[in-house]
Amino acid sequence: RKEVEQDPGPFNVPEGATVAFNCTYSNSASQSFFWYRQDCRKEPKLLMSVYSSGNEDGRFTAQLNRASQYISLLIRDSKLSDSATYLCVVNMYGGSQGNLIFGKGTKLSVKP
Amino acid sequence: EAGVTQSPTHLIKTRGQQATLRCSPISGHTSVYWYQQALGLGLQFLLWYDEGEERNRGNFPPRFSGRQFPNYSSELNVNALELEDSALYLCASSLIQGGEKLFFGSGTQLSVL
Repeated sequence: RKEVEQDPGPFNVPEGATVAFNCTYSNSASQSFFWYRQDCRKEPKLLMSVYSSGNEDGRFTAQLNRASQYISLLIRDSKLSDSATYLCVVNMYGGSQGNLIFGKGTKLSVKP
Repeated sequence: EAGVTQSPTHLIKTRGQQATLRCSPISGHTSVYWYQQALGLGLQFLLWYDEGEERNRGNFPPRFSGRQFPNYSSELNVNALELEDSALYLCASSLIQGGEKLFFGSGTQLSVL
């Protein structure tokens, strides 16, 4: 089983749609979780952290299910500018290891 | 405030040559991370430096090496280049030791011919 797995997509949705991405991780002891966004030919940028209780930032909602070892990202009212690749990121081994594990990303394309 | 800066933006080398990539972290950040992003693959962790020391390395051969300078800038060296080393090399820095929230530079696109 891969350490962090994501559906590669692409997800093609119309403007205004709601879209959800899931991500699974292999290590049940993983400590912290993030969603990054990467635009085409650009560097990844932190979108949001994922907390155990779930958290929301505007149109974006992130949730964590430790029992099933997956995290999710929900985007409501999709905008054209949301088109990007969304990377699921897990701090799998704790701060002492210093390396975040990145999924390969899910590509989202929002169409007019 | 300046972000993470990397140089050069593009680098073209031939097989067997050496490549040197440079990174300057955000001011005040002491941890620097190097990642490789090959076409169609996810980011692969290469190296982590903090306070001038190599703290961890990913599953890459020893010809991938680097260092961190007293001003926290960093260099990644790739010796004996192979075709499969062609990739985008991303540097990131973090304020907190251990890489919780990373700020990435725009990368160096290395092409090995």
